[in-house]
Amino acid sequence: GAVVSQHPSWVICKSGTSVKIECRSLDFQATTMFWYRQFPKQSLMLMATSNEGSKATYEQGVEKDKFLINHASLTLSTLTVTSAHPEDSSFYICSGRTGSEKLFFGSGTQLSVL
Amino acid sequence: LAKTTQPISMDSYEGQEVNITCSHNNIATNDYITWYQQFPSQGPRFIIQGYKTKVTNEVASLFIPADRKSSTLSLPRVSLSDTAVYYCLVASREDSSYKLIFGSGTRLLVRP
Repeated sequence: GAVVSQHPSWVICKSGTSVKIECRSLDFQATTMFWYRQFPKQSLMLMATSNEGSKATYEQGVEKDKFLINHASLTLSTLTVTSAHPEDSSFYICSGRTGSEKLFFGSGTQLSVL
Repeated sequence: LAKTTQPISMDSYEGQEVNITCSHNNIATNDYITWYQQFPSQGPRFIIQGYKTKVTNEVASLFIPADRKSSTLSLPRVSLSDTAVYYCLVASREDSSYKLIFGSGTRLLVRP
């Protein structure tokens, strides 16, 4: 299947700093990328949907100014958690869609905010 | 958006066949059903996808009845490494983009 590379795998930061997570589709062009957040023992929660070259669409309750999403090319999307706080600590996962109803997921990023 | 309902957890033993059923009563005509597997601290992995009747690949089978209001993922002869969370998703198209919403998933525990 198609490969989605997500970096970093884990990051620890101080409260108030910003963290950028990269998601790359290595062998396909992802016209749409999705960002999810997952807390321990819970399901994935969709945060936002981004289409290449346009602004991301955020789900209800997700602060767009806090979670900045950029999808500048068909192979790269980034999520920046601005002014991170301990409650932002979570597992973040990106996924790319190839044009079908099938998604390919990155390996996830564990964010810990101290 | 089609909402899915799955059992929260299931237990099985090595070598058994495991069937996980998902309900999606509000599935739309153009929706596909996709199953994913997730191990701890990893992103979900695609298992199988179908629209109707039966689909089989090297790891699983997917059974979808004629009304498409449910689907059953069948894992033949499970092993310990199949212990994971399994998610059933229905692809919904809204405003020309797909939004895949995850339900609670089924936590499968395979015992020796």
